[in-house]
Amino acid sequence: GAGVSQSPSNKVTEKGKDVELRCDPISGHTALYWYRQSLGQGLEFLIYFQGNSAPDKSGLPSDRFSAERTGGSVSTLTIQRTQQEDSAVYLCASSLGGSMNTEAFFGQGTRLTVV
Amino acid sequence: AQSVTQLDSQVPVFEEAPVELRCNYSSSVSVYLFWYVQYPNQGLQLLLKYLSGSTLVKGINGFEAEFNKSQTSFHLRKPSVHISDTAEYFCAVVKAGFQKLVFGTGTRLLVSP
Repeated sequence: GAGVSQSPSNKVTEKGKDVELRCDPISGHTALYWYRQSLGQGLEFLIYFQGNSAPDKSGLPSDRFSAERTGGSVSTLTIQRTQQEDSAVYLCASSLGGSMNTEAFFGQGTRLTVV
Repeated sequence: AQSVTQLDSQVPVFEEAPVELRCNYSSSVSVYLFWYVQYPNQGLQLLLKYLSGSTLVKGINGFEAEFNKSQTSFHLRKPSVHISDTAEYFCAVVKAGFQKLVFGTGTRLLVSP
């Protein structure tokens, strides 16, 4: 596609349920990143993929959070047993190479609301 | 670990006035620096970046930023703002050779007529 695509754009879920957020990066981009943006906060790094492997997942807040990437393309961020503090906008970005000195292109994000 | 400080959470300014959005970073090693803009209800878009070379970097929409290593700053400037520049601006840093882009908390630029 022309840009980074994320789905769903909005998700409302009940506390305790699991959710899956999807990211389709720009074709040919080997690097993929997940960030979380909470109200009044900056962008919090969650995880970085190079191909299908995740060299840096230091930002995942707890073991309820996991992510995978298949075929060097689509990535899924899964949050198990959601809590209200998980409410945020989850942003995905991709870039051509493994080094961040290339431009990162961001998707529109998934707004997650846990009620 | 590197960190980014954006001291101003909100900057109100009148149209056609100059503006400076401040960004300071902390890192003991070489870094790359970025400014991103997020227009209302849109994704983040790269404004400009500093990798090496000239410390004055020009970006899109008439914005520029100056890398100051001694003051560990990368302030964003525009000589004359438009209403359409109303947005959230994020400064970000990454250690050279690494991949974790660390963002500041953002500065909301509010341009009024």
